[in-house]
Amino acid sequence: KAGVTQTPRYLIKTRGQQVTLSCSPISGHRSVSWYQQTPGQGLQFLFEYFSETQRNKGNFPGRFSGRQFSNSRSEMNVSTLELGDSALYLCASSGGQGAGEAFFGQGTRLTVV
Amino acid sequence: AQSVTQPDIHITVSEGASLELRCNYSYGATPYLFWYVQSPGQGLQLLLKYFSGDTLVQGIKGFEAEFKRSQSSFNLRKPSVHWSDAAEYFCAVGPRGGYQKVTFGIGTKLQVIP
Repeated sequence: KAGVTQTPRYLIKTRGQQVTLSCSPISGHRSVSWYQQTPGQGLQFLFEYFSETQRNKGNFPGRFSGRQFSNSRSEMNVSTLELGDSALYLCASSGGQGAGEAFFGQGTRLTVV
Repeated sequence: AQSVTQPDIHITVSEGASLELRCNYSYGATPYLFWYVQSPGQGLQLLLKYFSGDTLVQGIKGFEAEFKRSQSSFNLRKPSVHWSDAAEYFCAVGPRGGYQKVTFGIGTKLQVIP
């Protein structure tokens, strides 16, 4: 069974640009969550999607957005990039039917210069 | 609001020694509790989880954790550490009824010396 796949693994962008990250969950999983990981802040919850609907959202500005497709694949978008957006972005998938194990991808390392 | 405190940012132990990583949580009711491990450049892997029942939970790689309601703690233990256990460990708390919006601690980085 394939794991959670995040693409790309590494990205370098310039301040002011926008970026789109992709996450393919484990087959059959309908819940996808996104986290931002930085050395100073740890893992911060961005949002969670289930069956194409955003169910939960963290405390991030509107520049951070996401969506989920009918095949459960998810994308997150960050517009008008700032230097502080440099981080490891992790995606996690789960069955979504109550608390259960979440499976994390390897993450996308975004560097904003 | 739920929160997780991992008081030790960095811990160094000798290979073969025992290990205990501390975790305290703040939550209005009994939450779901998790421990994850992250190796450099990798995502997070679930070590163990507590939902209900026996307060001593066994996980993968020889780890266990004990839920103590009176102390709001969920400490992770291993009797004998291996060099391959060097990684970062995260304690997390989530609401009952769903995985979503899990709150993670800041993490404890474990160094293992020969």
